Amino acid sequence: QQQVRQSSQSLTVWEGETAILNCSYENSAFDYFPWYQQFPGEGPALLIAIRSVSDKKEDGRFTIFFNKREKNLSLHIKDSQPGDSATYFCAGRGSALGRLHFGAGTQLIVIP
Amino acid sequence: GGIITQTPKFLIGQEGQKLTLKCQQNFNHDTMYWYRQDSGKGLRLIYYSITENDLQKGDLSEGYDASREKKSSFSLTVTSAQKNEMAVFLCASSIVQQSSYEQYFGPGTRLTVL
Repeated sequence: QQQVRQSSQSLTVWEGETAILNCSYENSAFDYFPWYQQFPGEGPALLIAIRSVSDKKEDGRFTIFFNKREKNLSLHIKDSQPGDSATYFCAGRGSALGRLHFGAGTQLIVIP
Repeated sequence: GGIITQTPKFLIGQEGQKLTLKCQQNFNHDTMYWYRQDSGKGLRLIYYSITENDLQKGDLSEGYDASREKKSSFSLTVTSAQKNEMAVFLCASSIVQQSSYEQYFGPGTRLTVL
């Protein structure tokens, strides 16, 4: 059973728009939710992360909105740039020693 | 900073062949992971090792063996390559702390089975 789900396999936006990538999870015990960014030919790299005690985490143009009651979260990319075109993975973790469970990824395409 | 090195970058094998992928990290991280990445399926955990001499099965361990030779290296063996195993294999490492749990990934090994 997929523990973390990403609702869109792909998303296309115009340069300057806000891209919204959605994610939901099954396990109420998950307490840490990172988003990873992957460019073609490279491994994923941590972009931004949130702990379940917070409902929002912002880092520059990237913001995570977290809803613990609904068990979902979203990544907002403000003022999207062509260089943001990549695949974004949402993940969840159940404990300090627990492994990460990854979603299937959303491929973002930003059109200039 | 540190780096994760995966060898080889590309691996071409024959169906039924035993194939080994290697991973080295110089972060001095305790925990290392092997993931398989298929298009549209995200990252699926094959094996991980919390510390040297430890080995834990992930969700996709059948058909694979792993070995944590020392703290800095973790290898993965495909015991009998199958045609449907064309995928990218990603190695990662992490240090586990209450406030930080970043996994650092290598660039991947791309496996093609003929």
